[in-house]
Amino acid sequence: QVQLQQWGAGLLKPSETLSLTCAVYGGSFSGYNWNWIRQPPGKGLEWIGEINQSGIINYNPSLKSRVTISVDTSKDQFSLRLRSVTAADTAVYYCARQNWFDFWGQGTLVTVSS
Amino acid sequence: QLVLTQSPSASASLGASVKLTCTLSSGHRSYAIAWHQQQPEKGPRFLMKLNSDGSHTKGDGIPDRFSGSSSGAERYLTISSLQSDDEADYYCQTWGSGVMFGGGTKLTVL
Repeated sequence: QVQLQQWGAGLLKPSETLSLTCAVYGGSFSGYNWNWIRQPPGKGLEWIGEINQSGIINYNPSLKSRVTISVDTSKDQFSLRLRSVTAADTAVYYCARQNWFDFWGQGTLVTVSS
Repeated sequence: QLVLTQSPSASASLGASVKLTCTLSSGHRSYAIAWHQQQPEKGPRFLMKLNSDGSHTKGDGIPDRFSGSSSGAERYLTISSLQSDDEADYYCQTWGSGVMFGGGTKLTVL
């Protein structure tokens, strides 16, 4: 059974950098797209970006200037960095597999507060 | 521009059936979508990938009570024999021109 397990700092100050990592267990890492999604409190889901099976990285245009997604295939992990965070970046962040998100991580609440 | 439209809310009685709708914007009626369920205070769960011809592939452990269908630009999720824990937010989502989510439908089971 495929499992995505994610971790990272949950409390940040404005202007700091958000950093999360997602590890994939129980299935192949290669041959799939890997995504980051977020959900502000009480709101809907927003796609952040992906690294696809060809190693090409695509970002949501609204976040592109601040986001970096990277991958470590030796560890079956991929990561998210979001620079210069503000209170508007407070959200639960999820990692997920494939374009249709057939497996999700457990979610990480990231709060940005001074 | 790719947009997915969902009704904000729906309700149905315990044991009944409900059909939720996701509408693809003009020019995107051939797109496949996915349906996801988010129960209160939980993360999303993949329900199914639904193609434009109505064929669908469900996620692991998703019961037969959940089914999908398509008609033109509309994508449907039907839940039969409603149970109390079906009360949740349901999101449709697609990909191709970036990734886009619908606004979600909050389902209340009466």
